[in-house]
Amino acid sequence: QKEVEQDPGPLSVPEGAIVSLNCTYSNSAFQYFMWYRQYSRKGPELLMYTYSSGNKEDGRFTAQVDKSSKYISLFIRDSQPSDSATYLCAMTGAGSYQLTFGKGTKLSVIP
Amino acid sequence: GAVVSQHPSRVICKSGTSVKIECRSLDFQATTMFWYRQFPKQSLMLMATSNEGSKATYEQGVEKDKFLINHASLTLSTLTVTSAHPEDSSFYICSARGRTREGNEQFFGPGTRLTVL
Repeated sequence: QKEVEQDPGPLSVPEGAIVSLNCTYSNSAFQYFMWYRQYSRKGPELLMYTYSSGNKEDGRFTAQVDKSSKYISLFIRDSQPSDSATYLCAMTGAGSYQLTFGKGTKLSVIP
Repeated sequence: GAVVSQHPSRVICKSGTSVKIECRSLDFQATTMFWYRQFPKQSLMLMATSNEGSKATYEQGVEKDKFLINHASLTLSTLTVTSAHPEDSSFYICSARGRTREGNEQFFGPGTRLTVL
């Protein structure tokens, strides 16, 4: 079993839809959870950064962490064509700065 | 957010030559820099971690004599691919971690696409 599992998609939704992206993990030591957005041929851009369990909202983006289930989610409300990208989840443990990434989910928002 | 730059953005070279890639943190001091490679439709694979002023720590399977990393200052790290071969063709991405207004998150550069002919 890989440390971080993420459905690679592709995921295609109409403009305005709510998008749900998810990752599961096996390492209970992970405490810091991140979501990155990567456009084609570009470096990843940090979207959300959360610590431990709970929700965090930033504009149209909401990140959820459920440590008991080892499950994290990113919700995108009112999705836009400009949200079309690959979304990578990443996580790390306390005292560690090395990130473990999911494979990424490719999202397409159709106008 | 914090800005990390990479140079060059794209390089094409002949087999056997060496290529140097620079990674700079533009508006913060990076205590730690990371180098990743990414193959098409794959996630990022960590190659090495470097702390300013000390030797890099390489991940298992990464040849330290082939991928030379220098982190001489708090804002600059370089990756040199020595005697590059076609199988080294990939997308190389650096990231930097340091004290920013956002905290201690890791910020990524735009990547360097290396093509070895």
